[in-house]
Parts: sequence; structure tokens; C-alpha cells
Amino acid sequence: AQSVAQPEDQVNVAEGNPLTVKCTYSVSGNPYLFWYVQYPNRGLQFLLKYITGDNLVKGSYGFEAEFNKSQTSFHLKKPSALVSDSALYFCAVRDVNSGAGSYQLTFGKGTKLSVIP
Amino acid sequence: NAGVTQTPKFQVLKTGQSMTLQCAQDMNHNSMYWYRQDPGMGLRLIYYSASEGTTDKGEVPNGYNVSRLNKREFSLRLESAAPSQTSVYFCASSNYGYTFGSGTRLTVV
Repeated sequence: AQSVAQPEDQVNVAEGNPLTVKCTYSVSGNPYLFWYVQYPNRGLQFLLKYITGDNLVKGSYGFEAEFNKSQTSFHLKKPSALVSDSALYFCAVRDVNSGAGSYQLTFGKGTKLSVIP
Repeated sequence: NAGVTQTPKFQVLKTGQSMTLQCAQDMNHNSMYWYRQDPGMGLRLIYYSASEGTTDKGEVPNGYNVSRLNKREFSLRLESAAPSQTSVYFCASSNYGYTFGSGTRLTVV
């Protein structure tokens, strides 16, 4: 079974400071990893994904994430936070070997990011 | 615009009533999913359809049924709604990456 942990329910950061939202995962095989963002009363929007290759993945809106296989982590980062980054962030994992033609994602419980002006 | 369309956006039901949530995608994706989102619980998979003609249970299927009507459409039915089914429901489709609908906010009183 695959699982995702987001250890922080909420992260507060001052505008202009770097931000990190943490994610660790567990899969039996190799992982596909994703970050999604949800603004109030909206659906989930894709930010970035790790499939293979470079451990540092760059995504939308200046976000990036670093895949660390030994620590089974995929933390989301941004060098300089904006107030408009305030939202709910979800990490998700799929086992590369999940079959039957269906790509089931397992989500973490979400981390609320608040960027303070 | 291409994407996943869910209807309705909001619904209030009385306990015991039934309803069907509709979902359609125009991206020619094979797989479709229904999730529910509850505070502090993240998104939990209710049912999914790997391809047209197949459906399978996810993590929290009790109280729900689904129909994959064709490649585009995947509906979720609540036969006898209960207050515990008050939630926000998201439909998604994928061939590889996921695309989510904007959600249905359901309240059961």
C-alpha cells in the first residue's frame, strides 16, 4: 500500500521569505510524486511532478520540489513567498507499478500555507 | 475549455434522499475517479474507473455507487443520503497526470 504524510497542518511564513512544505511518502516500488494546490472553493491545480531524472523539479508559479530517495521525501519549496501563495497544498504519490491501467493517486491530508504580509 | 465538468456545484439533501453527481471530461482520458474531501482528511478515493466499462472500489465506497456511462462520463450516486456524506466531492480524470473538476459541495441535513 502507498501512503503520504504531510507532518504540518499549517505553515506560516512572512512574505519574501523562503517557504518549505514537507512531504514524505511510502510505496513498495518506485514513486511518481505530485504537488497540487487548492485555493478556497476551487478544485485542485497541478503544480509539479517527479517521475524520473533530476531530483530537483521545477513547477508552476516559481515552486520547486526536491526528491530525496533515501529520506523518502518530496518537499515543496519556493525562494520568496507571496501573499497570493496562501492556499492548501497537497502532496500525492503513485506507485509506478500500480497496474490495471489506472493511475491511482494517494493524497496527504494537506498543509495550509499562510503567507503574512 | 477542455477539462472536467461537474454538476451540480452545490446541493442540499435531506437524510434518505437520493441523488446523482455528474462528471464529464473532454480530454479523451481513460481513467476517471471520484474523491471526497473532508477537513483534516485530505482527499479520499471513493470509486474509480480504469477504463470504459470497468469500475472499482476505492478507500471509502460504502453508501455510493458509480456508473461509467461512456468514456467521457462517470457518475456518482447516493442512494440514501446520510449526514456523514456531507462533503465536497471531486471528480478527476487521467491518462497520466490528473485533472480535477471544480467540485460539488453537498450538505445532507
